[in-house]
Amino acid sequence: GAVVSQHPSWVICKSGTSVKIECRSLDFQATTMFWYRQFPKQSLMLMATSNEGSKATYEQGVEKDKFLINHASLTLSTLTVTSAHPEDSSFYICSAPKSNQPQHFGDGTRLSIL
Amino acid sequence: GENVEQHPSTLSVQEGDSAVIKCTYSDSASNYFPWYKQELGKGPQLIIDIRSNVGEKKDQRIAVTLNKTAKHFSLHITETQPEDSAVYFCAAGNRDDKIIFGKGTRLHILP
Repeated sequence: GAVVSQHPSWVICKSGTSVKIECRSLDFQATTMFWYRQFPKQSLMLMATSNEGSKATYEQGVEKDKFLINHASLTLSTLTVTSAHPEDSSFYICSAPKSNQPQHFGDGTRLSIL
Repeated sequence: GENVEQHPSTLSVQEGDSAVIKCTYSDSASNYFPWYKQELGKGPQLIIDIRSNVGEKKDQRIAVTLNKTAKHFSLHITETQPEDSAVYFCAAGNRDDKIIFGKGTRLHILP
């Protein structure tokens, strides 16, 4: 079964609103989680590394004030897309490494901004 | 930082034939090379991975080879079946750290 869960799986909202996406590790603790964005027919692009108890590390070109990441517990990281606009519409995916195992990916969140 | 190139972008093979997808990476510090299969609307699913201390790994119809010197690694799928049709991504990095994805290969298995 799934070991990383994302919620919601699909969200549609109006331009200008903020959207929060949750990523949970289900049966293990994750001090680190990773957030990716995937546009249609493109690859997964790493956005940021979420670190439990400290600030996230953002990849070059990713606006940290636009994509707020909070990793307040060992099983939950959240990504908030602030003041979302149509160009933010994408598939957002998180992953978490589990001790001595490969990274586990969530099933993604499809974000559509009208 | 790491850069991963993947070829081809699209691949069509007859059912029962073999498919090969190739990737190169740039960062010699990378020591972990997973391959993922992604179906429409889903997150990527790990199908096989290899670490830098191994040159080849096989799991039933799927095999991966790694040439550390040349910074090449490849995915081989034998006896392809219709359910193998999907997008496949290679990646490179460190298993407990970030991994960088290639651009993906859309594999079509022709009946």
